[in-house]
Amino acid sequence: DIQMTQSPSSLSASVGDRVTITCRASQGISNYLAWFQQRPGKAPKSLIYAASNLQSGVPSKFSGSGSGTDFTLTISSLQPEDFATYYCQQYNSYPITFGQGTRLEIK
Amino acid sequence: EVQLLESGGGLVQPGGSLRLSCAGSGFTFSTYGLSWVRQAPGKGLEWVSHIGGSGANTYYADSVKGRFTISRDNSKNTLYVQMNSLRAEDTAVYYCAKSHYYDVPYFDHWGQGALVTVSS
Repeated sequence: DIQMTQSPSSLSASVGDRVTITCRASQGISNYLAWFQQRPGKAPKSLIYAASNLQSGVPSKFSGSGSGTDFTLTISSLQPEDFATYYCQQYNSYPITFGQGTRLEIK
Repeated sequence: EVQLLESGGGLVQPGGSLRLSCAGSGFTFSTYGLSWVRQAPGKGLEWVSHIGGSGANTYYADSVKGRFTISRDNSKNTLYVQMNSLRAEDTAVYYCAKSHYYDVPYFDHWGQGALVTVSS
């Protein structure tokens, strides 16, 4: 199974800041990497697929990059609604696996 | 507008069974793969199972293989998961999620979730 490791596990930032979350795969997954946002008590929301493609309707403040084993999600100009938990997911092979999540909190 | 609506959650005793349903609308149901993804209380996301658009191909996490069966009825635009031999560790919110592109298991839409509680 491919293990996905996110760092950091939690992150404190202020409104207006720019933050970066990292996701590392235990083996190469090409660009079969997605990012999701989950607010408390809500279903996940799709942000990015194929490592860097923005899901329709997602603002351009979200961006993704990477290939192989190392990936990043960058969120610019943080707003209150961006404080949530973020997950990466590999879909290169079954079983599909998620990172453990990164909780983004307001400083 | 794409919508996914889960139903069938509830309280069940260890060793019991439950069937969840997910009704889809706003898209050509038979074209897309669908997955079940669960989230235990206070924990992260765990993929459970995936089924291709035709229903011919199915995939399972090791944690549920042999106990859960995924299926779909394209005439009813509905996804199912039959859960047998339930354990306390199966307690979670179960989400159905739609593939963005045919059977590729990247998900562009998610349901609101159904809570399954396994407890005596």
